[in-house]
Amino acid sequence: AQSVAQPEDQVNVAEGNPLTVKCTYSVSGNPYLFWYVQYPNRGLQFLLKYITGDNLVKGSYGFEAEFNKSQTSFHLKKPSALVSDSALYFCAVRESYNTDKLIFGTGTRLQVFP
Amino acid sequence: EAGVVQSPRYKIIEKKQPVAFWCNPISGHNTLYWYLQNLGQGPELLIRYENEEAVDDSQLPKDRFSAERLKGVDSTLKIQPAELGDSAVYLCASSPDSISRTDTQYFGPGTRLTVL
Repeated sequence: AQSVAQPEDQVNVAEGNPLTVKCTYSVSGNPYLFWYVQYPNRGLQFLLKYITGDNLVKGSYGFEAEFNKSQTSFHLKKPSALVSDSALYFCAVRESYNTDKLIFGTGTRLQVFP
Repeated sequence: EAGVVQSPRYKIIEKKQPVAFWCNPISGHNTLYWYLQNLGQGPELLIRYENEEAVDDSQLPKDRFSAERLKGVDSTLKIQPAELGDSAVYLCASSPDSISRTDTQYFGPGTRLTVL
């Protein structure tokens, strides 16, 4: 079965420093991977996705993610964190067969300190 | 362009009462999803519609949950009767067409249900 793991419940980083939010996946077949961000009392906002092609995917708000097939990882990164990036981040994988539902990780709370 | 609209945003009811949530997807999006998000967890799919047809409802607890999308546009999710464990956020999402399986799902703000 398809799954994603977000090994860190929380990531703390100082404003201006680079940030990484980790995600590993387990799929059979081609992985279709997504990152979403959730601010308090709001729905999920799409950040970026990997379907095929370049392993470095650029998304919204300066975020990017690196797809690594050998390590089955899809880590979210940003060169310089902002306090406003503080939120809950979800990695998700879409099943490439059977159904089209998204399988989400448990989420990682990012806290950026000024 | 308007995003996915959901109402109400918040709902507090007593157990055993019925409750309904409404969702209007992004214009032109044929696929609509209802997700359940428990506190501290990622969303889990309840049901997926292609136009007016429910094509995946395997995770919907059919003894108390029902959903409809009669005209293939907006949708309603109902719980009757509600139980304490139903307290969660109910998210609606839409995508243009799920056939490609690469389309992005866009989420609404959710309805936070509290069952007392």
